[in-house]
Amino acid sequence: QVQLVESGGGLVQPGRSLRLSCAASGFSFTTYPLHWVRQAPGKGLEWVAVVSYDGRNEYYADFVKGRFTISRDNSRDTVYLQMSSLRPEDTAVYFCARENDFYFFDYWGQGTLVTVSS
Amino acid sequence: EIVLTQSPGTLSLSPGERATLSCRASQSVSSNHLAWYQQKAGQAPRLLIHGASSRATGIPDRFSGSGSGTDFTLTISRLEPEDFAVYYCHQYGRSPRAFGQGTKVEIK
Repeated sequence: QVQLVESGGGLVQPGRSLRLSCAASGFSFTTYPLHWVRQAPGKGLEWVAVVSYDGRNEYYADFVKGRFTISRDNSRDTVYLQMSSLRPEDTAVYFCARENDFYFFDYWGQGTLVTVSS
Repeated sequence: EIVLTQSPGTLSLSPGERATLSCRASQSVSSNHLAWYQQKAGQAPRLLIHGASSRATGIPDRFSGSGSGTDFTLTISRLEPEDFAVYYCHQYGRSPRAFGQGTKVEIK
């Protein structure tokens, strides 16, 4: 079955960097775009970034442009989110999600919590 | 950028009652690319509806979606105990994607 498993979250100081990973299984990884979506504590869902199936195209929400980089390793069935210059307002659970052939998110991981605090 | 506004913020109902959740978009949602997700505490969102009105695989028929353009509705015909959760609408027709702020369906 389709599985997305995030890792790499934790406590980090403001201004520092962190890299999240999302390991996929149960489907043809190279066929699908993958996204990161975040959710601050007690708040709603917020789209962060997407990488195309081949890794050649990336798009970002304005609030992370220039600070976050999404990438994928199709040999490892893994998508990454490199986060730098972290701010307290980046504190959230970060989910990866698969975009299917009809453009909506059909599978989500369970999320990994990032806490930005001194 | 499309902004989605959900109403009400909280819906207090009893099991067996009908729930009607609204999602209004600031611009027309192209090709009715509007989805609804259910989220329970500590869990990932679960897809309920895509294409404004198509139920996802395995979703009970008490869940239905309707609407087009800028106004969309999620209806739960008879609330079951497991339906008390937060519901989000999501537009995926234009970049950047957007989510509504959520409607919490709570037990009255």
